[in-house]
Amino acid sequence: NAGVTQTPKFQVLKTGQSMTLQCAQDMNHEYMSWYRQDPGMGLRLIHYSVGAGITDQGEVPNGYNVSRSTTEDFPLRLLSAAPSQTSVYFCASSYNRDSNQPQHFGDGTRLSIL
Amino acid sequence: GDSVTQMEGPVTLSEEAFLTINCTYTATGYPSLFWYVQYPGEGLQLLLKATKADDKGSNKGFEATYRKETTSFHLEKGSVQVSDSAVYFCALSSGVDSNYQLIWGAGTKLIIKP
Repeated sequence: NAGVTQTPKFQVLKTGQSMTLQCAQDMNHEYMSWYRQDPGMGLRLIHYSVGAGITDQGEVPNGYNVSRSTTEDFPLRLLSAAPSQTSVYFCASSYNRDSNQPQHFGDGTRLSIL
Repeated sequence: GDSVTQMEGPVTLSEEAFLTINCTYTATGYPSLFWYVQYPGEGLQLLLKATKADDKGSNKGFEATYRKETTSFHLEKGSVQVSDSAVYFCALSSGVDSNYQLIWGAGTKLIIKP
């Protein structure tokens, strides 16, 4: 009963490095999204996908890329890490984009950029 | 644009105390309202929701009533336990008007002392 799985749980990068945060769900959900969580700011939407092959930008997309080649996977790529991207990142999925559907969250990736 | 305002934390209570966490919102149209909970080291999970005015959402002893006249969705519990210690997020969605995206409050940390 995996649900939404995020890897890694922790990562430290140097400024300018690139990396990919992995997200996989086993619930056959259409809708997947990435959020960042910063102190005192709640969650902010980075990118989302309403199905395989379809992605769109959220509130704070700059510096991040996504792709959705399969229903299960939705990786988030940091192209050139900056200290402002230090945050906790959450992947979420739901049955479809209807916001009345509950969102299922992974346990998060804590990312530090030095 | 749409927004959610929660009371600042942390909120510290003794076990068996009555809990209220305030949440107010601004939105066009008729949003759906949600409370999510984040336990330490975990992702968020849906606690309860209400989709129209005067609806009451409830789960695990928590309740919140959708008050359109005061644009509020306050979270209440009659007798809290140490296990309720977590961060609580209020959120809204205006459906198609907000591109089905959730708008999040900043979160309120709740600490219950035995």
